Parts: sequence; C-alpha cells; structure tokens
Amino acid sequence: DQQVKQNSPSLSVQEGRISILNCDYTNSMFDYFLWYKKYPAEGPTFLISISSIKDKNEDGRFTVFLNKSAKHLSLHIVPSQPGDSAVYFCAASPSYKYIFGTGTRLKVLA
Amino acid sequence: NAGVMQNPRHLVRRRGQEARLRCSPMKGHSHVYWYRQLPEEGLKFMVYLQKENIIDESGMPKERFSAEFPKEGPSILRIQQVVRGDSAAYFCASSQDRGGNQPQHFGDGTRLSIL
Repeated sequence: DQQVKQNSPSLSVQEGRISILNCDYTNSMFDYFLWYKKYPAEGPTFLISISSIKDKNEDGRFTVFLNKSAKHLSLHIVPSQPGDSAVYFCAASPSYKYIFGTGTRLKVLA
Repeated sequence: NAGVMQNPRHLVRRRGQEARLRCSPMKGHSHVYWYRQLPEEGLKFMVYLQKENIIDESGMPKERFSAEFPKEGPSILRIQQVVRGDSAAYFCASSQDRGGNQPQHFGDGTRLSIL
C-alpha cells in the first residue's frame, strides 16, 4: 500500500528552465511534508518542507506547493541548474515517521 | 563535519553472519531513526529511538533485527543471521525534537551486501 506516490520515475529539463516534481499522497492524517535530494552513494539531503496549514513555502530557487483537497504536493525549481541533477524524494509524516515516495530522477541538461 | 555519521559505509557479510551498523547523530540531537532502502525503492521506516529507549520499532522485522541507542556512544542496528534479502542501504537520521516541524537529517548510509 503506497501512501506516497511519485509517478514520474524520471524528468529531463533544460538548464535555466523550471523543473516541476510531483507527489501524491493518500492519508489525510499527514500534516508535514518534505522534499529531499539524493546523490548516488550519499544520504538524502533536506531541501524544503511545508506544514499542512500552509499551501506554499519558498526558499530561494525552491518552492513547495501543497494542495490538500487533491492530496498533491509539488516542488518547483527555478531556474534549474546542472547541479540539481539528482533523485528527489518527497516524504509525508503524521508525526515522527516519514513515509517516502519512490523518487524522481531529475536530469538538468546544460 | 557535524553531520550524522554512519559506519561502516560498506559492509559485506556471508549468510548467517551478524551485521552491526553504527550511527552517531548530529550534535545536540537525541532522536535517532533508522530507514532501509531497497534498490529502486524509497526509504522505509524501521525504528525510532531516543537515548536508552525504543519509541517505535513497528517497521523493523520482529526476528533477527534489533536496535539500541545507549546513554553513551552511537546507535547500533544489529542484524543477526543475515540472509540475502537483507542486502540494502541502511540510513540513519537524527532530529533535535520529536515530530513537529523538525526535519530529520540523514547520514550517508551503510550499504550492506550479503554473499
């Protein structure tokens, strides 16, 4: 039972353009959502988070949008840079336990 | 580097042996979490510990797996009598507080290979 889904295994974007990564969840009890970036052979690095009481959170080039009615989360990266190429995981949490999606591999083309 | 430290980075064991994975949380963090990642999958929660206490081990197999976080020293994830299916990347994370809006910070993981 996959409570957090990332339906796009991969995404390619031109440098300078916007990258949009999507995530869907099923459990309305989730109240905290996060995005992590992961390079090969490294651990996930925290990027940005959002509480369920908000619908948008912005940090530099990264913006996370939350649509509670649709149970949908998205991460926007603008402008995209080659160094953003990595696997991106969304995670949802009702408390301390994070439920991760399967990841989306982003490739930013120079 | 004051991040979460895991060792060893790579561990090879034969079937039936024991594997011990260690995790030192970030300075000032007293909450530790272990996750497992199988190839092409997301991370799956295994266990949550605070100093000397297991808070939630609902994601950890009942047999062969155990975890501890002693008063002194790192957290240990122990797998006895390893089998091929235990091959995975094991990640440890730590946080300053439990739950709420405190992100967990991850180590670089231990890649366990079972021959």
